[in-house]
Amino acid sequence: AQKITQTQPGMFVQEKEAVTLDCTYDTSDPSYGLFWYKQPSSGEMIFLIYQGSYDQQNATEGRYSLNFQKARKSANLVISASQLGDSAMYFCAMREGFTGRRALTFGSGTRLQVQP
Amino acid sequence: ETGVTQTPRHLVMGMTNKKSLKCEQHLGHNAMYWYKQSAKKPLELMFVYSLEERVENNSVPSRFSPECPNSSHLFLHLHTLQPEDSALYLCASSQAGGAGANVLTFGAGSRLTVL
Repeated sequence: AQKITQTQPGMFVQEKEAVTLDCTYDTSDPSYGLFWYKQPSSGEMIFLIYQGSYDQQNATEGRYSLNFQKARKSANLVISASQLGDSAMYFCAMREGFTGRRALTFGSGTRLQVQP
Repeated sequence: ETGVTQTPRHLVMGMTNKKSLKCEQHLGHNAMYWYKQSAKKPLELMFVYSLEERVENNSVPSRFSPECPNSSHLFLHLHTLQPEDSALYLCASSQAGGAGANVLTFGAGSRLTVL
C-alpha cells in the first residue's frame, strides 16, 4: 500500500489566488512527521513546511500552511496569494517514528502552474 | 559554499563505463541520503548513512555502490548500469537525531543518462 498519496497530478491557479494541494498518508506509527517540498525545474528539492503528529496546531510558514486532519490522515498544503514563482512540482512526504535514521517517503507529486 | 552541492550536474555514460557521483554538504549534518527520481515515479530512497555508517540499503542493485568517507561527503559509484537507471539522483543531508532530523536538505541533483 502507498504510504503517501497525492491524487492531483496537475493543478492550475490564477495569480494571487489561494490553492490547496491534497495529501493523504497511511501509517500505524503514532509518532510521525509530515513534510512538503517544492521542486522547481532546476531540480533542487526545497523544504517548505513540517507538521509533527503530536502538534496541536496547524503549521504555518509565511504563505504556506498545512491543513492537518489527523483523523482523516490528510495533510493538505495551502498556498495563499499564489505567485508566478510558485509554479513547480510539490511533494508531500512522511517520516515514521522520530529517529534520525528514518528517511522520508515521498508521494508522486503535484505539478502546480500559476497563471497570470 | 553552503548547502548541499552535487557534482556533476549532468552525466552521460555507456553501459560499460564506471563513473561516480559526488555530494558534499557544508551544514554540519551527520546523516546523508541518496534518492533516485525517475520520470513519473515517486522519489525512491536508495541509501542512508548516519554518522558515516550505512544504516539503510533499500534493495538497490549492486551496480550502485555508495561510499561515505566522512560526514561531509557522500559518493555513489556507478558501474555497468542499464538504460533504466537513467534518472535524477538526489543527495540530501540532515542531523542524525533530535529536532534537526526532521528536515532533509537536498542538493540540486545529478541528471544521469545511460546509453
